[in-house]
Parts: sequence; structure tokens; C-alpha cells
Amino acid sequence: EVQLVESGGGLIHPGGSLKLSCAASGFNVIDNYMRWVRQAPGKGLEWVSLIFRGGDTYYADSVKGRFTISRDSSKNMVYLQMNRLRAEDTAVYYCARDRYCRDGSCIPSDFWGQGTLVTVSS
Amino acid sequence: DIQMTQSPSTLSASVGARVTITCRASKSVTAWVAWWQQKPGKAPNLLIYDASTLEPGVPSRFSGSGSGTEFTLTISRLQPDDSATYYCQQYDSDWTFGQGTKVEIK
Repeated sequence: EVQLVESGGGLIHPGGSLKLSCAASGFNVIDNYMRWVRQAPGKGLEWVSLIFRGGDTYYADSVKGRFTISRDSSKNMVYLQMNRLRAEDTAVYYCARDRYCRDGSCIPSDFWGQGTLVTVSS
Repeated sequence: DIQMTQSPSTLSASVGARVTITCRASKSVTAWVAWWQQKPGKAPNLLIYDASTLEPGVPSRFSGSGSGTEFTLTISRLQPDDSATYYCQQYDSDWTFGQGTKVEIK
């Protein structure tokens, strides 16, 4: 059974750092396209970061230069290192597996985790 | 960035009613559109991808149509369990989502 479980969220001061983890089971993260999507409280969905099967990484402009996506094939985990956090980064962060990517378009799948809440506040 | 504009932002309908949600893209996204259902406190669930392909396990009362810049999600006979917020999404260039449509049951 495919499962994604996020962890690592919490309360952090502005300017601080936090690392989110996504534990995958039922498939290998290194063979898939994995991403992070976030949702601010009461707001819509925003794509954050994506890592291709080959290891290429992509970021939304809002987090570029501050967030880093990575993976560990030995642990079958995906990570999101978040630095220089801002109040507007407050959100539930979801880990998701894309169906596949083709010609620059990545087709979504229904495999998402339950999310982990990050609150940036003083 | 491609913007996705949904309408209406909220709607209220009776059980058994036919419901249509519209999404307009700021530029053509061919058929690279998905529709999601989200209930409070839960992750979104994928209903439709590639504009009209039903995700396995999704009830057949849900359908999607459109291409280019205009897309619709239709619920043919609204059920109490369909009370949720629905989002459209384009994946032609990165991913962007509509602002959501809250569907309430009268």
C-alpha cells in the first residue's frame, strides 16, 4: 500500500529554520517525482518544490533560495529544508507523489500525505 | 505564472441537483487540468485529471470537460457527502490552483 507520512512541523520564530520529513512506503521515492505542496490556514493550495526522478529540483518563486528539497533512497524519505522562514510560510505542508512527468508537465496523483503544520510566529 | 480563476466561490444546492463549477485559465493549458475535493482538516483528493479522466474509485456522478482556457466540473446528482471545497489545478506549466469553490448542501 502506498503511504506518505509527513513530520517535523511546529512553531518557529521568523528567520528560523525547520526541516520537514516525508516517509514513503509502498514505492521507492528515487523512482518517482516527489513534491511538496502547502496550504495556508483558510487559503488555497500552493506548489512549493519538486524533485525529479533524475534528481533535478524545482522551486516556487516564493521559496526559491530559502527552501531545499532532497531525498534519501536508503531511508526512502523526502525532505524539505526551510530556512529564513517568514510569517507567510505558515501553512500545512503536504508531501505528494506525481503520477509522472512528460514534456514539462507533471500529472498529479492521489497519493498525498496527511500534512504537517508549520507556524511561523514570534 | 498561469492563473486559474474559479466560479462561483460558494454555492448551495439540494441533494440530487446538478452542480457545475467553472475554471478559467489565464492562457491555454491544453487539457492539463485536474479537479480536487477537499474536506476540512483533510488532504485534497484527486477527482479528475487530464481535464476529463476520472480518478479510479471516484463516483461516476463527477465529470470534467473543457480544453484550452475553459474547464468545468459537474456533479450530476449532488449527494450529502459531496459537501466540500473543490479546486481546479493546471499543470501545463508548474502547478497552480484555483481559489476554490465551497459546495454546501441545502
